[in-house]
Amino acid sequence: SQQGEEDPQALSIQEGENATMNCSYKTSINNLQWYRQNSGRGLVHLILIRSNEREKHSGRLRVTLDTSKKSSSLLITASRAADTASYFCATDLFVMYSGGGADGLTFGKGTHLIIQP
Amino acid sequence: NAGVTQTPKFQVLKTGQSMTLQCAQDMNHEYMSWYRQDPGMGLRLIHYSVGAGITDQGEVPNGYNVSRSTTEDFPLRLELAAPSQTSVYFCASSRRRTNTEAFFGQGTRLTVV
Repeated sequence: SQQGEEDPQALSIQEGENATMNCSYKTSINNLQWYRQNSGRGLVHLILIRSNEREKHSGRLRVTLDTSKKSSSLLITASRAADTASYFCATDLFVMYSGGGADGLTFGKGTHLIIQP
Repeated sequence: NAGVTQTPKFQVLKTGQSMTLQCAQDMNHEYMSWYRQDPGMGLRLIHYSVGAGITDQGEVPNGYNVSRSTTEDFPLRLELAAPSQTSVYFCASSRRRTNTEAFFGQGTRLTVV
């Protein structure tokens, strides 16, 4: 079951432009996290935003969280070629699967971001 | 800083063979987990552990076994490999189960023929 869904699935922009990607989720959350995955590599944590926070910044990254709409957005400002990667949102909760419940991060399918030089 | 180390990086198995994917972390994290990543599917939780001696099933546990005899190690065992298990496998660890960032290994790309 997919708790988070990113939108768009793919995004291509020019270097220097801002990139915005969105994540929607289905149930109440404790927190929401964003991860980056470069091609062929593991995931790297970017930002964790708690359910009682509305906005968080880290360098060129800005994350917002709207719990009433069950959505989050990740903004990357002044994009660089090195930002080319897939970006995933993940929620942290106890999820019921067909075989029972499980504790762990539940990921969306990701947004593939390409920065054109 | 080693972080989370997975071995091997690549593996090709024949249907019916067995193998163990190794995962080790040097951060003294209590929580460890295994995910598989398939095209268009995102990451799906296979098994997880909240501490040494404790393991539990995730979303897609069938065909996989795990053990956690030490805090550092969390191997994933495939007993009878099937083509449906062709995937990229990621191990992750975190200080605790919730409200904290996860650290991922570099992944194991497994092909079952």
